[in-house]
Amino acid sequence: LAKTTQPISMDSYEGQEVNITCSHNNIATNDYITWYQQFPSQGPRFIIQGYKTKVTNEVASLFIPADRKSSTLSLPRVSLSDTAVYYCLVVYTNAGKSTFGDGTTLTVKP
Amino acid sequence: DAGVIQSPRHEVTEMGQEVTLRCKPISGHDYLFWYRQTMMRGLELLIYFNNNVPIDDSGMPEDRFSAKMPNASFSTLKIQPSEPRDSAVYFCASSPTSFTNTGELFFGEGSRLTVL
Repeated sequence: LAKTTQPISMDSYEGQEVNITCSHNNIATNDYITWYQQFPSQGPRFIIQGYKTKVTNEVASLFIPADRKSSTLSLPRVSLSDTAVYYCLVVYTNAGKSTFGDGTTLTVKP
Repeated sequence: DAGVIQSPRHEVTEMGQEVTLRCKPISGHDYLFWYRQTMMRGLELLIYFNNNVPIDDSGMPEDRFSAKMPNASFSTLKIQPSEPRDSAVYFCASSPTSFTNTGELFFGEGSRLTVL
C-alpha cells in the first residue's frame, strides 16, 4: 500500500483556520479518506470522511481535489481545545486494507 | 452507550510473561479491530474480525501474538511470551459496518503495555 504522508507538526493561534494536508498518491477510484483526532491518553476519534470534492460537517471540512492524490482537513476558527494529533486514514476498499498517516501534531496557542 | 471498553488500562510486566488484553465492543457492531500504537511505527492494524471471525491477521507481528473473539461482546489479544519491544498502546476499535465502506471506527481508550 502507498504511504500516507502528513506534516509532522503545525502551530496556530486561536480563532484561525487550520488546514492540514495528507498525500496519498496511489489512491484508487473506490478508496476513501478519513480523518481522526487524538488527545493524549485517548483513542482516536472520527472527525470526517470523504471520497471526492468537499465534505462539511459541524466541526470540519474535507477538501479532495479531482485527482484525489491529496486531501485537506480544514478546521475553522480553532480553539485551545483543538490541540491534538490529527491522523489521515486512507481506506483501500478493494484491498480491504487501510493505512494511517504518521499524524500531525497541531498546537493552538492563545 | 458506554463505548468500546478496554482492560486493563495499564499493564506492567516482565519479559517472558503472558499478557492478555481485553475488549468489549459497542453492542451491535459487527466489526472489531486491534491496533498497536508506538512512536516509531504509529498506528498499525494487527487484526480485525467480522461477526467474531478473523478476517485479516496479516498485521500480527509474530506467532507470539494471538487474538480471539469468542462472542460478539468480547475479544482478547494475547502476547506470550512478551518482550520489551512489545511495549506500546494497544487499541481496540469497533464499527457497525465494514470499515472499507465507511472508515468510521470507534476506538477504546487503549491499554498501555510496558514490558520490562
